[in-house]
Amino acid sequence: GENVEQHPSTLSVQEGDSAVIKCTYSDSASNYFPWYKQELGKRPQLIIDIRSNVGEKKDQRIAVTLNKTAKHFSLHITETQPEDSAVYFCAAISNDYKLSFGAGTTVTVRA
Amino acid sequence: NAGVMQNPRHLVRRRGQEARLRCSPMKGHSHVYWYRQLPEEGLKFMVYLQKENIIDESGMPKERFSAEFPKEGPSILRIQQVVRGDSAAYFCASSPGTSIETQYFGPGTRLLVL
Repeated sequence: GENVEQHPSTLSVQEGDSAVIKCTYSDSASNYFPWYKQELGKRPQLIIDIRSNVGEKKDQRIAVTLNKTAKHFSLHITETQPEDSAVYFCAAISNDYKLSFGAGTTVTVRA
Repeated sequence: NAGVMQNPRHLVRRRGQEARLRCSPMKGHSHVYWYRQLPEEGLKFMVYLQKENIIDESGMPKERFSAEFPKEGPSILRIQQVVRGDSAAYFCASSPGTSIETQYFGPGTRLLVL
Protein backbone atom coordinates (compact mmCIF):
# COMPACT_ATOMS: atom_id res chain seq x y z
CA GLY A 1 0.00 0.00 0.00
CA GLU A 2 0.86 3.67 -0.10
CA ASN A 3 3.29 5.04 2.49
CA VAL A 4 3.52 8.80 3.03
CA GLU A 5 6.29 10.38 5.06
CA GLN A 6 6.13 14.00 6.22
CA HIS A 7 8.81 16.34 7.54
CA PRO A 8 9.36 18.18 9.77
CA SER A 9 7.08 17.06 12.59
CA THR A 10 7.17 20.53 14.15
CA LEU A 11 7.92 23.90 12.60
CA SER A 12 8.18 27.26 14.34
CA VAL A 13 8.39 30.40 12.19
CA GLN A 14 8.34 34.11 12.79
CA GLU A 15 5.24 35.90 11.59
CA GLY A 16 5.80 37.06 8.04
CA ASP A 17 8.34 34.35 7.23
CA SER A 18 7.69 31.34 4.98
CA ALA A 19 6.95 27.78 6.05
CA VAL A 20 7.75 24.70 3.98
CA ILE A 21 6.54 21.16 4.64
CA LYS A 22 7.80 18.23 2.61
CA CYS A 23 6.29 14.83 1.91
CA THR A 24 7.34 11.74 0.03
CA TYR A 25 5.19 8.88 -1.16
CA SER A 26 5.90 5.33 -2.24
CA ASP A 27 3.22 4.33 -4.75
CA SER A 28 4.09 5.61 -8.21
CA ALA A 29 0.45 5.09 -9.22
CA SER A 30 -0.75 7.78 -6.78
CA ASN A 31 -2.14 10.71 -8.73
CA TYR A 32 -3.85 13.06 -6.28
CA PHE A 33 -2.19 14.89 -3.38
CA PRO A 34 -4.32 16.99 -1.02
CA TRP A 35 -3.19 19.02 1.97
CA TYR A 36 -5.33 19.37 5.07
CA LYS A 37 -5.15 21.87 7.91
CA GLN A 38 -6.40 20.76 11.31
CA GLU A 39 -6.82 23.14 14.22
CA LEU A 40 -6.98 21.74 17.73
CA GLY A 41 -10.16 19.74 18.23
CA LYS A 42 -11.46 20.58 14.77
CA ARG A 43 -11.99 18.71 11.54
CA PRO A 44 -9.27 18.41 8.86
CA GLN A 45 -9.96 21.06 6.24
CA LEU A 46 -8.83 20.74 2.65
CA ILE A 47 -6.68 23.78 1.86
CA ILE A 48 -5.14 22.89 -1.48
CA ASP A 49 -4.63 19.88 -3.71
CA ILE A 50 -2.63 18.94 -6.77
CA ARG A 51 -2.99 16.27 -9.39
CA SER A 52 -0.19 14.36 -11.03
CA ASN A 53 -0.47 16.15 -14.36
CA VAL A 54 0.49 19.46 -12.75
CA GLY A 55 3.83 20.48 -11.26
CA GLU A 56 2.76 23.46 -9.20
CA LYS A 57 -0.42 25.09 -7.94
CA LYS A 58 -0.89 28.34 -6.06
CA ASP A 59 -3.76 29.83 -4.08
CA GLN A 60 -2.97 33.22 -2.54
CA ARG A 61 -0.32 32.58 0.15
CA ILE A 62 -0.34 28.81 -0.27
CA ALA A 63 1.43 26.85 -2.98
CA VAL A 64 2.07 23.18 -3.57
CA THR A 65 4.74 21.62 -5.78
CA LEU A 66 4.94 18.06 -7.06
CA ASN A 67 7.91 16.13 -8.38
CA LYS A 68 6.54 12.83 -9.70
CA THR A 69 9.93 11.48 -10.67
CA ALA A 70 11.27 11.86 -7.15
CA LYS A 71 7.87 11.19 -5.54
CA HIS A 72 8.09 14.40 -3.53
CA PHE A 73 5.50 17.09 -2.91
CA SER A 74 5.71 20.17 -0.75
CA LEU A 75 3.50 22.82 0.81
CA HIS A 76 4.71 26.41 0.90
CA ILE A 77 3.05 29.07 3.04
CA THR A 78 4.31 32.61 2.50
CA GLU A 79 3.86 35.66 4.73
CA THR A 80 2.74 33.48 7.61
CA GLN A 81 0.16 34.81 10.06
CA PRO A 82 -0.80 33.64 13.57
CA GLU A 83 -3.96 32.04 12.18
CA ASP A 84 -1.77 29.73 10.11
CA SER A 85 -0.81 27.94 13.35
CA ALA A 86 -2.26 24.41 13.11
CA VAL A 87 -1.34 20.84 12.24
CA TYR A 88 -0.90 20.27 8.51
CA PHE A 89 -1.29 16.85 6.91
CA CYS A 90 -0.21 15.80 3.46
CA ALA A 91 -1.91 12.86 1.80
CA ALA A 92 -1.73 10.77 -1.32
CA ILE A 93 -4.51 8.80 -2.88
CA SER A 94 -4.31 5.28 -4.22
CA ASN A 95 -7.01 3.03 -5.66
CA ASP A 96 -8.79 6.32 -6.58
CA TYR A 97 -10.22 6.82 -3.10
CA LYS A 98 -7.98 5.64 -0.26
CA LEU A 99 -6.23 8.60 1.34
CA SER A 100 -2.92 7.80 3.02
CA PHE A 101 -1.87 10.57 5.39
CA GLY A 102 1.48 11.75 6.61
CA ALA A 103 2.00 11.98 10.36
CA GLY A 104 1.42 15.73 10.39
CA THR A 105 3.44 18.90 10.96
CA THR A 106 2.62 21.19 13.87
CA VAL A 107 3.19 24.73 12.64
CA THR A 108 3.54 27.53 15.18
CA VAL A 109 3.69 31.11 13.96
CA ARG A 110 5.37 33.41 16.49
CA ALA A 111 4.03 36.94 16.67
CA ASN B 1 -25.26 23.99 2.51
CA ALA B 2 -24.54 21.81 5.50
CA GLY B 3 -21.23 20.00 5.60
CA VAL B 4 -20.56 16.48 6.77
CA MET B 5 -22.32 15.89 10.08
CA GLN B 6 -21.23 13.50 12.78
CA ASN B 7 -22.76 12.63 16.10
CA PRO B 8 -22.15 12.37 18.87
CA ARG B 9 -19.17 14.72 19.02
CA HIS B 10 -17.95 13.10 22.23
CA LEU B 11 -18.69 9.59 23.47
CA VAL B 12 -17.62 7.96 26.70
CA ARG B 13 -17.92 4.22 27.09
CA ARG B 14 -16.77 1.68 29.63
CA ARG B 15 -14.80 -1.35 28.52
CA GLY B 16 -17.09 -3.98 27.04
CA GLN B 17 -19.82 -1.59 25.96
CA GLU B 18 -20.82 -0.80 22.40
CA ALA B 19 -20.12 2.45 20.59
CA ARG B 20 -22.22 3.69 17.66
CA LEU B 21 -20.91 6.59 15.61
CA ARG B 22 -23.09 8.28 13.01
CA CYS B 23 -22.19 10.19 9.87
CA SER B 24 -24.43 12.10 7.49
CA PRO B 25 -22.59 12.99 4.27
CA MET B 26 -22.87 16.29 2.49
CA LYS B 27 -25.96 16.72 0.38
CA GLY B 28 -25.48 15.03 -2.96
CA HIS B 29 -22.55 12.91 -1.79
CA SER B 30 -22.95 9.17 -2.10
CA HIS B 31 -19.48 8.06 -0.97
CA VAL B 32 -18.55 7.79 2.68
CA TYR B 33 -15.19 7.04 4.28
CA TRP B 34 -14.25 6.45 7.89
CA TYR B 35 -10.81 7.30 9.30
CA ARG B 36 -9.35 6.90 12.77
CA GLN B 37 -6.92 9.34 14.35
CA LEU B 38 -4.92 8.36 17.39
CA PRO B 39 -3.47 11.15 19.55
CA GLU B 40 -0.73 13.08 17.75
CA GLU B 41 -0.92 10.85 14.69
CA GLY B 42 -2.25 11.13 11.17
CA LEU B 43 -5.55 9.74 10.02
CA LYS B 44 -5.73 6.07 9.07
CA PHE B 45 -8.20 4.76 6.50
CA MET B 46 -10.73 2.30 7.85
CA VAL B 47 -13.55 1.73 5.39
CA TYR B 48 -15.14 3.07 2.20
CA LEU B 49 -18.87 2.69 1.62
CA GLN B 50 -21.46 3.59 -0.93
CA LYS B 51 -25.18 3.29 -0.32
CA GLU B 52 -25.88 -0.29 0.85
CA ASN B 53 -22.38 -1.43 -0.18
CA ILE B 54 -19.05 -1.82 1.54
CA ILE B 55 -16.47 -1.13 -1.15
CA ASP B 56 -13.25 -1.47 0.85
CA GLU B 57 -12.90 -2.38 4.51
CA SER B 58 -9.22 -3.21 4.42
CA GLY B 59 -8.44 -0.74 7.22
CA MET B 60 -10.99 -2.10 9.66
CA PRO B 61 -9.95 -4.41 12.48
CA LYS B 62 -11.27 -7.87 11.71
CA GLU B 63 -13.18 -8.21 14.95
CA ARG B 64 -15.59 -5.95 16.86
CA PHE B 65 -15.74 -3.25 14.14
CA SER B 66 -18.44 -2.97 11.50
CA ALA B 67 -19.79 -0.26 9.24
CA GLU B 68 -22.88 0.28 7.19
CA PHE B 69 -24.43 2.92 4.94
CA PRO B 70 -28.10 2.05 4.53
CA LYS B 71 -30.35 3.23 1.76
CA GLU B 72 -31.97 5.65 4.18
CA GLY B 73 -30.26 7.38 7.06
CA PRO B 74 -26.68 8.00 8.13
CA SER B 75 -23.65 5.79 7.88
CA ILE B 76 -22.89 4.00 11.13
CA LEU B 77 -19.57 2.80 12.50
CA ARG B 78 -20.17 0.28 15.23
CA ILE B 79 -17.58 -0.89 17.74
CA GLN B 80 -18.59 -3.79 19.93
CA GLN B 81 -17.01 -4.63 23.30
CA VAL B 82 -14.83 -1.53 23.29
CA VAL B 83 -11.34 -1.63 24.78
CA ARG B 84 -9.14 1.26 25.93
CA GLY B 85 -7.13 1.04 22.72
CA ASP B 86 -10.24 2.07 20.78
CA SER B 87 -10.02 5.56 22.30
CA ALA B 88 -9.42 7.89 19.37
CA ALA B 89 -11.06 10.47 17.14
CA TYR B 90 -13.13 8.90 14.39
CA PHE B 91 -13.64 11.05 11.32
CA CYS B 92 -16.09 10.53 8.54
CA ALA B 93 -15.56 12.04 5.09
CA SER B 94 -17.75 12.18 2.02
CA SER B 95 -17.26 12.86 -1.66
CA PRO B 96 -19.46 13.25 -4.69
CA GLY B 97 -19.60 10.49 -7.25
CA THR B 98 -18.03 12.73 -9.86
CA SER B 99 -14.86 13.33 -7.86
CA ILE B 100 -14.41 10.60 -5.31
CA GLU B 101 -10.91 11.63 -4.35
CA THR B 102 -11.96 15.06 -3.06
CA GLN B 103 -13.03 14.20 0.46
CA TYR B 104 -14.61 16.58 2.93
CA PHE B 105 -14.39 15.73 6.59
CA GLY B 106 -16.89 15.91 9.39
CA PRO B 107 -16.07 17.30 12.86
CA GLY B 108 -15.26 13.85 14.22
CA THR B 109 -16.42 11.79 17.19
CA ARG B 110 -13.98 11.60 20.07
CA LEU B 111 -14.37 8.25 21.74
CA LEU B 112 -13.02 7.74 25.23
CA VAL B 113 -13.06 4.26 26.70
CA LEU B 114 -12.73 4.13 30.47
